[in-house]
Amino acid sequence: KQEVTQIPAALSVPEGENLVLNCSFTDSAIYNLQWFRQDPGKGLTSLLLIQSSQREQTSGRLNASLDKSSGRSTLYIAASQPGDSATYLCAVRSLTTDSWGKLQFGAGTQVVVTP
Amino acid sequence: DTAVSQTPKYLVTQMGNDKSIKCEQNLGHDTMYWYKQDSKKFLKIMFSYNNKELIINETVPNRFSPKSPDKAHLNLHINSLELGDSAVYFCASSQTTGYGYTFGSGTRLTVV
Repeated sequence: KQEVTQIPAALSVPEGENLVLNCSFTDSAIYNLQWFRQDPGKGLTSLLLIQSSQREQTSGRLNASLDKSSGRSTLYIAASQPGDSATYLCAVRSLTTDSWGKLQFGAGTQVVVTP
Repeated sequence: DTAVSQTPKYLVTQMGNDKSIKCEQNLGHDTMYWYKQDSKKFLKIMFSYNNKELIINETVPNRFSPKSPDKAHLNLHINSLELGDSAVYFCASSQTTGYGYTFGSGTRLTVV
């Protein structure tokens, strides 16, 4: 059974610092991995999607890496801004038949960027 | 032109009542989902429909019944609501192969 863990659970940084968020998963038979952002009381916004054959994806200040063999993904946010404050969720879509289509979520990392 | 839309956004109801949440997607995706986010903010899948066919049915009380009239709509009906049903329910959609999920903005259900 796939389990997804995110470390740290919470993170507070001053504006301008780079953010490093970690995600680990127990079963490397994944289809893809997706990073989301959730603002308080809001829905989930997709940030980056990495297919299992890819090593990384980039969008603006965001970069996500994937090391399938070690079961890890890292989300880097460069030059953080107060507007980056949110909860960041990692979700894995597994290949196994009984998990087909299902996203397994981590518990999230709550980020606060102070001005 | 919202991609995945849910109604209502907020729902406050008494124990024992029956309520429904509606979801529609205009992305042309063939698979739709219901996820529940509990008070600890953990997201867990409840149901999934692919082209109107139920393909994932997690261990969910049978008071919860999903219905998909067509591949663009997935509704969730809940009978005999209990206090423990209070949560945020998210609808999502995806294409079968390769692509990511798109989530709706959620329905915050409060049972009093």
